[in-house]
Amino acid sequence: GAVVSQHPSRVICKSGTSVKIECRSLDFQATTMFWYRQFPKQSLMLMATSNEGSKATYEQGVEKDKFLINHASLTLSTLTVTSAHPEDSSFYICSANPLDPFNSTDTQYFGPGTRLTVL
Amino acid sequence: LAKTTQPISMDSYEGQEVNITCSHNNIATNDYITWYQQFPSQGPRFIIQGYKTKVTNEVASLFIPADRKSSTLSLPRVSLSDTAVYYCLVESPYSSASKIIFGSGTRLSIRP
Repeated sequence: GAVVSQHPSRVICKSGTSVKIECRSLDFQATTMFWYRQFPKQSLMLMATSNEGSKATYEQGVEKDKFLINHASLTLSTLTVTSAHPEDSSFYICSANPLDPFNSTDTQYFGPGTRLTVL
Repeated sequence: LAKTTQPISMDSYEGQEVNITCSHNNIATNDYITWYQQFPSQGPRFIIQGYKTKVTNEVASLFIPADRKSSTLSLPRVSLSDTAVYYCLVESPYSSASKIIFGSGTRLSIRP
């Protein structure tokens, strides 16, 4: 099946620094990728939709200047957490849909997640 | 986007069949129902997807009644490794840009 990878798997940074998380579709192209955030014992919360070659679409309440999204190619989207603070510590997950035109039941494939800890 | 409602948690024992029901009253005509499994500190993993009636694969079965306003994930003979959170989602697979919204999920605990 389709594979989505994320790098790094975990990162620890100091408050005030910026952290970049990469999401790659390894064996398919994705014009759209999604970024989620998940706090302990909670469900995934959609943060934004990353669109290749255009601006990301952010969900209500998500600061676009704090969570910068770049979708520079059909296989890579990056999420940069700028001026990170301890409250940004969370599990960040991306997803993408291969959209195989010959398979009408294709679905989202999720990355393994990135654990961000801000000290 | 159709909202889904599931039990917050369920407990069962090894070897039992577990059925988790999800309601999605506002499902659209073109929407599919997808179930994902998530272990701690991992991304969700696809389990099964269906549109109507019954779908079965090597790990689970999915039952969808004619009105499609609910669905039931059936896990046969569960083991300890099936302890996870299970999410029921409504998706429109015809568009890669169609976002999906996660509900609370069901935290399934399997005991020896």
